[in-house]
Amino acid sequence: DIVVTQSPDSLAVSLGERATLNCKSSQSVLYSSNNKNYLAWYQHKPGQPPKLLIYWASTRESGVPDRFSGSGSGTDFTLTISSLQAEDVAVYYCQQYYLTPRTFGQGTKVEIK
Amino acid sequence: QVQLVQSGAEVKKPGASVKVSCKASGYTFINYDVNWVRQAPGQGVEWMGWMNPTNGNTGYQQKFQGRVTMTRNTSISTAYMELSSLTSEDTAVYYCGSRHLDEPAVIRHWGQGTLVTVSS
Repeated sequence: DIVVTQSPDSLAVSLGERATLNCKSSQSVLYSSNNKNYLAWYQHKPGQPPKLLIYWASTRESGVPDRFSGSGSGTDFTLTISSLQAEDVAVYYCQQYYLTPRTFGQGTKVEIK
Repeated sequence: QVQLVQSGAEVKKPGASVKVSCKASGYTFINYDVNWVRQAPGQGVEWMGWMNPTNGNTGYQQKFQGRVTMTRNTSISTAYMELSSLTSEDTAVYYCGSRHLDEPAVIRHWGQGTLVTVSS
């Protein structure tokens, strides 16, 4: 199985400041035939189901604010929230869908400083 | 619009089984897969497995092999996840989720979640 590891476990950022979340997979999730990274990011708030933010490592889901951006390739990925808003307080998960099981990372909790 | 509505909360005793349903609407059921994800209290989310409703093919996380069964009833656009030999560690919120089979294998649409409590 591909192990997905996120860092840090938690992050406190001031409103309007940048938040940087990291995700590392135990093997490459880059598929050479289409040059796509099979990596997604989700936002999870208490009492709600997770919400898809980013797929193909950097493609923003429709309706997701452009302050959310994804980057990286191969085994190392980053989710950046360019200007943290109060409504962004949540746990963020990355997930690889290169192979089944489609494993999630353990999550990064984002809070307001 | 795509909507997934799950069955209500369950309380089960250790050793019992639970069957959670996920009723789809707003799309052609067999054109979307169904994933099951759970979150235990204080823990992260965990992918359990998936099913292709077109043919009923399934793929399960190894840790659930032998205990989980994912099925569907296409006539009522409903998917099911049954988990047997329950222990307290299976206490969790269980989510179904789906995406069109032509799209990337992410989970775009989610059910509201079903709380399963295992307690003697």
